[in-house]
Amino acid sequence: QVQLQQWGAGLLKPSETLSLTCAVYGGSFSGYYWSWIRQPPGKGLEWIGEINYSGSTNYNPSLKSRVTISVHTSKSQFSLKLSSVTAADTAVYYCARETYAMGVWGQGTTVTVSS
Amino acid sequence: QSALTQPASVSGSPGQSITISCTGTSSDVGDYNYVSWYQQHPGKAPKLMIYEVSNRPSGVSNRFSGSKSGNTASLTISGLQAEDEADYYCSSYTGSDTLVFGGGTKVTVL
Repeated sequence: QVQLQQWGAGLLKPSETLSLTCAVYGGSFSGYYWSWIRQPPGKGLEWIGEINYSGSTNYNPSLKSRVTISVHTSKSQFSLKLSSVTAADTAVYYCARETYAMGVWGQGTTVTVSS
Repeated sequence: QSALTQPASVSGSPGQSITISCTGTSSDVGDYNYVSWYQQHPGKAPKLMIYEVSNRPSGVSNRFSGSKSGNTASLTISGLQAEDEADYYCSSYTGSDTLVFGGGTKVTVL
């Protein structure tokens, strides 16, 4: 039974860098893409980007200039960095295991950007 | 990339069937059989209900079914139950190696 556990800072100031990590337990790390998705308060889901075990990435064009997703294969972890955050980046951030569909999700991390 | 288009809300009585549409373009829904559907209850992470247009993951009720015609995908919930009241999102792979979500549909059980 694959489980994803995510963590990271929950309160940021404008212009800071958001940093989240997601650990994969109980399943294979290779053979899948690993995604980050966010959901602003009261709004819908937004796909941020993905990475596979070899480090190949794809990003949402609207966020590409600020996003970096990296993988730490030896730890079965992957991370998200989003630079120059503003209040518009306030959201619940989820990690997920993906093969064109997000079949396993992390518990979500609430990130608030406020001065 | 633009979000897929879903109705804001759909409602039905217990036992009835409802259908949620998800309209994209020939660059996403219309060109790939990688449409998926998610159910999200308040305060919870989304749950995969349908993948690759019409496939149900293990453990998902067969009351949920998916289909696609042209640029529009659909999720049908038959035998509507109170526990089905939730937000539903569609998603599609795009030709740009990205994924895109719909805006979400709130399902109300009357």
